[in-house]
Amino acid sequence: SQQGEEDPQALSIQEGENATMNCSYKTSINNLQWYRQNSGRGLVHLILIRSNEREKHSGRLRVTLDTSKKSSSLLITASRAADTASYFCATAEETSGSRLTFGEGTQLTVNP
Amino acid sequence: EPEVTQTPSHQVTQMGQEVILRCVPISNHLYFYWYRQILGQKVEFLVSFYNNEISEKSEIFDDQFSVERPDGSNFTLKIRSTKLEDSAMYFCASHRGTQETQYFGPGTRLLVL
Repeated sequence: SQQGEEDPQALSIQEGENATMNCSYKTSINNLQWYRQNSGRGLVHLILIRSNEREKHSGRLRVTLDTSKKSSSLLITASRAADTASYFCATAEETSGSRLTFGEGTQLTVNP
Repeated sequence: EPEVTQTPSHQVTQMGQEVILRCVPISNHLYFYWYRQILGQKVEFLVSFYNNEISEKSEIFDDQFSVERPDGSNFTLKIRSTKLEDSAMYFCASHRGTQETQYFGPGTRLLVL
């Protein structure tokens, strides 16, 4: 498997439900960043979590990081139709400076 | 809020032609990157640039590619002789210090015919 794999690949939920997306990686990292991408558009930064942090919040978003399991999760609470997008995790590996290695992404669909 | 900007938003070119993709990073940022995303695939790192030189490049970034920061604001990616497989969305990104958020531009969609 590759650095930064998201799970599931696709997720479909109803408005108001919570959405959880997971990311696994293989190497030691300095930080992990979550991005959102609407179809064919740019990457919007959501949250950065450093390797010495375990949890961060931003509005309806909650990110956790477990460096022992090399995994992270993104929780979107009280989802809205406007949250429909692809979500990517990207890792800055310890040995690779600040360049980011992206996962395949999770396609989230929130049905009204 | 400051943003990374990219021009053009779309470019169509013939195979073998040269293209220059332009980016204006956020003004106080010091680290600059180009990534690309082939349709339906994940985002891939191409090159990083710091202190007026390339700091790291991927296997994709071969001799056909070059980057330049010609002045204090612009950051360009040149593809000398485009191939069909260069068709992709190209993203510029920047950040201020090490281990800080990378901000991405809206991308340039390049189509090579």
